[in-house]
Amino acid sequence: GAGVSQSPSNKVTEKGKDVELRCDPISGHTALYWYRQSLGQGLEFLIYFQGNSAPDKSGLPSDRFSAERTGGSVSTLTIQRTQQEDSAVYLCASSRRGDTQYFGPGTRLTVL
Amino acid sequence: GDSVTQMEGPVTLSEEAFLTINCTYTATGYPSLFWYVQYPGEGLQLLLKATKADDKGSNKGFEATYRKETTSFHLEKGSVQVSDSAVYFCALSGGNQAGTALIFGKGTTLSVSS
Repeated sequence: GAGVSQSPSNKVTEKGKDVELRCDPISGHTALYWYRQSLGQGLEFLIYFQGNSAPDKSGLPSDRFSAERTGGSVSTLTIQRTQQEDSAVYLCASSRRGDTQYFGPGTRLTVL
Repeated sequence: GDSVTQMEGPVTLSEEAFLTINCTYTATGYPSLFWYVQYPGEGLQLLLKATKADDKGSNKGFEATYRKETTSFHLEKGSVQVSDSAVYFCALSGGNQAGTALIFGKGTTLSVSS
């Protein structure tokens, strides 16, 4: 594809609900990353995939956060029982192995 | 752990002024260094990068040189334009091995007026 795409672009949810955020990486990119951008914390790494496996989950802030990747392509980030502090822009990036990361436009999550 | 420190903003300049945004880093090993830019309402875009000491990255009139001796990667542009108004992020990754997360500075907001 032309670039990394993410959906939805905006998501408003109520505290306690689960949400799923989707990322479509650039075709041929085997590495996929999730980051979070918030006013208080800046840009934080969440999780990295190489193919379908996630060798680095060190940035996930709690066990309410999980992610999967299927077919070496699309990835879904799931947040269970959302809290107001989860409000942020969630960014996805992809790269060829060891190369520059290219970012999607992000999903703005608002938890009421 | 590894970290990136960049100058606090906002930076406000007139068109055609000279721009410097300072960035210093702390890292083990030999990281790659990046500047990303985020225009209003848009996602992060790679502006330039350098992968080893003394490399100079350049793009769209912006330049930054990887200085290992001062652990710095300052962003410069000789003559800014209104269209350069954006948030600029300095970042590092630990090396060319796959799967190294980017570590970002907190971002510097640049506002250019005509």
